[in-house]
Amino acid sequence: DTGVSQDPRHKITKRGQNVTFRCDPISEHNRLYWYRQTLGQGPEFLTYFQNEAQLEKSRLLSDRFSAERPKGSFSTLEIQRTEQGDSAMYLCASNPRFDADEQFFGPGTRLTVL
Amino acid sequence: QKEVEQNSGPLSVPEGAIASLNCTYSDRGSQSFFWYRQYSGKSPELIMSIYSNGDKEDGRFTAQLNKASQYVSLLIRDSQPSDSATYLCAVKGAGGTSYGKLTFGQGTILTVHP
Repeated sequence: DTGVSQDPRHKITKRGQNVTFRCDPISEHNRLYWYRQTLGQGPEFLTYFQNEAQLEKSRLLSDRFSAERPKGSFSTLEIQRTEQGDSAMYLCASNPRFDADEQFFGPGTRLTVL
Repeated sequence: QKEVEQNSGPLSVPEGAIASLNCTYSDRGSQSFFWYRQYSGKSPELIMSIYSNGDKEDGRFTAQLNKASQYVSLLIRDSQPSDSATYLCAVKGAGGTSYGKLTFGQGTILTVHP
């Protein structure tokens, strides 16, 4: 399977706990995006990596959120001190190059904060 | 005004009919436009991209773009029950600092009934 993969697919946690999600983009895709989607809404942009550099962060990404992409391959998204409002689907997408705007999404990680 | 707006739906059409999905956007400099299909509980799947004014056809799908009216639409011909899903309109904004992030509408739920 050469698509975008995400792990875990589901995560249930208690309020106040830390969680970390992983995204493996399509091989050789140097542009990676994280989005968050809540029920009944479209995905909302969180952050963007070009190779290992984090070039843009949304205002939605509070200081409890941090993302990394070491070595420009996989990426992780960590949420510290989770809140019930963090419950959502966290989506990772990648695209290959500057002249191609299409983004391909992974299966997502559904987070439930109790 | 939301940046990307879709007709509210839900939209219900009989099998074999044409389904018409509409989207307007506020950023006049937007350059790239996408339609994603999202089945319940799954991640968005790219079905169409369009970059210039006019129509673009791919199988049963036709995307239409009118930049002057800031309007993009998706037509699904010969609708099938398997087309029942949420359809998301996504727009890539203008400017060198957008880094390709997509802004999504809230989605239109389409139901195709036999």
